[in-house]
Amino acid sequence: KNQVEQSPQSLIILEGKNCTLQCNYTVSPFSNLRWYKQDTGRGPVSLTIMTFSENTKSNGRYTATLDADTKQSSLHITASQLSDSASYICVVSDRGSTLGRLYFGRGTQLTVWP
Amino acid sequence: EADIYQTPRYLVIGTGKKITLECSQTMGHDKMYWYQQDPGMELHLIHYSYGVNSTEKGDLSSESTVSRIRTEHFPLTLESARPSHTSQYLCASSESGKGERPGLAPHIQYFGAGTRLSVL
Repeated sequence: KNQVEQSPQSLIILEGKNCTLQCNYTVSPFSNLRWYKQDTGRGPVSLTIMTFSENTKSNGRYTATLDADTKQSSLHITASQLSDSASYICVVSDRGSTLGRLYFGRGTQLTVWP
Repeated sequence: EADIYQTPRYLVIGTGKKITLECSQTMGHDKMYWYQQDPGMELHLIHYSYGVNSTEKGDLSSESTVSRIRTEHFPLTLESARPSHTSQYLCASSESGKGERPGLAPHIQYFGAGTRLSVL
């Protein structure tokens, strides 16, 4: 069964600190991996998308890495800000259909304290 | 910010009522999706559409129905709401034409803000 597992489930850090969120997946055949940020009561917003040939991608203070061999990804947040408080969702797409089925993780709930 | 809109944002209704959740996008996207999300859980695809007059069931069985008469509009309807339908419903859209094929840039899905439905 294709799955996406994220850890930790929740994380609390102080403003200005760095943190790393993990995503392990078993989706096969793999097409791409996405990280989304979902603020409370809002829809997810795309942060990064990586295909199997990419192993790192940055978007401002967010840096995602991908190891397609071990089927692991991480999202590193640098110099955290209060506005980074949100759920971060790892999403993996397969190559099994034209639609490119998406498999969603349950997210890591990040809280940044002042 | 994505140009995809959902109404209402919040809805509290009684059991047995018929409801329609609205979703509209102004980006000209052919592909549209409906997801259901419970607190702390992953998103589950319940419906999707490749374009006008195209609708398909998603992975999670749902008693809701959808229609796609216009490109920009993808409403979801529950004929008779029940407490088990209480959830957050998220609408999304993405570009078409490239597909999820190796070597091609994957689509970004743009999400609406969601409708939080409570059925009493």
